[in-house]
Amino acid sequence: DAKTTQPPSMDCAEGRAANLPCNHSTISGNEYVYWYRQIHSQGPQYIIHGLKNNETNEMASLIITEDRKSSTLILPHATLRDTAVYYCIVSSSSGAGSYQLTFGKGTKLSVIP
Amino acid sequence: GAVVSQHPSRVICKSGTSVKIECRSLDFQATTMFWYRQFPKQSLMLMATSNEGSKATYEQGVEKDKFLINHASLTLSTLTVTSAHPEDSSFYICSARGDRGLGNTIYFGEGSWLTVV
Repeated sequence: DAKTTQPPSMDCAEGRAANLPCNHSTISGNEYVYWYRQIHSQGPQYIIHGLKNNETNEMASLIITEDRKSSTLILPHATLRDTAVYYCIVSSSSGAGSYQLTFGKGTKLSVIP
Repeated sequence: GAVVSQHPSRVICKSGTSVKIECRSLDFQATTMFWYRQFPKQSLMLMATSNEGSKATYEQGVEKDKFLINHASLTLSTLTVTSAHPEDSSFYICSARGDRGLGNTIYFGEGSWLTVV
C-alpha cells in the first residue's frame, strides 16, 4: 500500500528550481518524510529528511506543510546531473532497527538543457 | 555522507550455480542492513531485513532458502543467491542504517547487477 503519491514525471529547465511534490495524507505523528533519488543503474542516494520543520542542506530544501499531509522537495538550481527518479518515502525513525524504507514509483525528473 | 559498498558490481553466473554479493558499511557500524531487488523500469522491492547476529526477516514471497542472508558483523552483510536461474537476473541493492551519529539515516550501496545465463 502506497503511503505517498508523486507525479510520475516532471521536466525542469537547467538552472531553474525544480519543485517536486509529494502527498502523504495518512502520515502519522512519528513518521518522517525522506527523499532519495536514483540515477540510472545506481543505488539510491539520500537527499534529505524532515519531521515537521522545513529542512535545508547542501543538496536541497524540504518544505513540509503545517498539517504534514504533503511536502515539496526543492532543488534550487537544477543541473543535468539532477536527472533521476526521486522517491518520497514516509517512515518512522525511532528505536533500533525499527524502521525500513518502502519505495513507491517516484517521480522521474528530466532536466532539460 | 556515510558510505556503503557492494561487491561485485556486476556478475554473470551459470544457471544452477550460486553467487554471493557482499555489502559493507565502510565508515560506520550498521546494526541493520536491508536487501532490495529491482527489475528494469520498476521500483525497488524490499527482500529482507537483517540484524547483526540474528536471522534475517524476509518479506512475503521471498524464499529464504534461495536468498541466504548473513549479517555476521556490524559492517558486513552478504546475500547468496542459490541455484540461480535466469529469472533471478536483476539489480540487487543493499542498504545500511547508520548509527545515532548519522541520525538513523539509511544509506544505499551502489548495487550489483546479476545476470544468470
